[in-house]
Amino acid sequence: SYELTQPPSVSVSPGQTARITCSGDALPKQYAYWYQQKPGQAPVLVIYKDSERPSGIPERFSGSSSGTTVTLTISGVQAEDEADYYCQSADSSGPWVFGGGTKLTVL
Amino acid sequence: EVQLVESGGGLVKPGGSLRLSCAASGFTFSSYSMNWVRQAPGKGLEWVSSISSSSSYIYYADSVKGRFTISRDNAKNSLYLQMNSLRAEDTAVYYCASHYDSSGYYRVDWGQGTLVTVSS
Repeated sequence: SYELTQPPSVSVSPGQTARITCSGDALPKQYAYWYQQKPGQAPVLVIYKDSERPSGIPERFSGSSSGTTVTLTISGVQAEDEADYYCQSADSSGPWVFGGGTKLTVL
Repeated sequence: EVQLVESGGGLVKPGGSLRLSCAASGFTFSSYSMNWVRQAPGKGLEWVSSISSSSSYIYYADSVKGRFTISRDNAKNSLYLQMNSLRAEDTAVYYCASHYDSSGYYRVDWGQGTLVTVSS
C-alpha cells in the first residue's frame, strides 16, 4: 500500500521557522494537503493543493512541493502552533492517504 | 456554519456490529463528497472510506474492505458507516469529514468524532 513518510517530531524555538517534510512516490502526480491537530480536537486543514491556504489560516503557514517531497513551512512559529501535523494525498489505493504525522514542539 | 455531528459509537465485543451516523448541516450536503477517518488511541489518522456526492463512487481502505459499508442519505443530510465483524484493532475515534473541490473552491470540514471501543 502507498505510504507517505513524515519525521516523527520537529522542534523549534518561538519566532523561528519550522519545516515539516512529507515524502511519497506519487507526490509528483498528486496534490498534497496538510492538517493541524491539537490534543482532543479534530484536524484542521491548513494547506491544500500543495501550497494554497484556506481562509482563516494565518499567512505564516505555507506549503511547497519538489519532486517526491512536499514541505509545510511555519514562519515565525508561535506557541499556539504546537500540534501534530499530517500530510495527506491520494493514489490508486484510495482518495485519502495520510502520513504518519509529525509532532511539532515549540521550545 | 458547517456542522458535522457523529453518533453511534460505543463499546462492542469482537465480532460484533455497530452503525455510525453523521448528521450534516450548514452546507449543501448533496454536493459534497463524504469520508470516514479514524484515529486509534495515541496514533495517527487513518482514512477508512469515502463516498461521492451521489454515491456513484465508493472507496474503502484495505483494512476494512468487506467488513464496513459506507452510505449516505442526501434527503436526510446524513452519512453512515455500517461496521461488521469488528476487531480490537478497529478501536478508534471515528471522524466524518466533508469534502468539496470544484471551480477553484476547496473545503474540508470535520466532525468532533465518536469513539468506538472493541473489547470483550
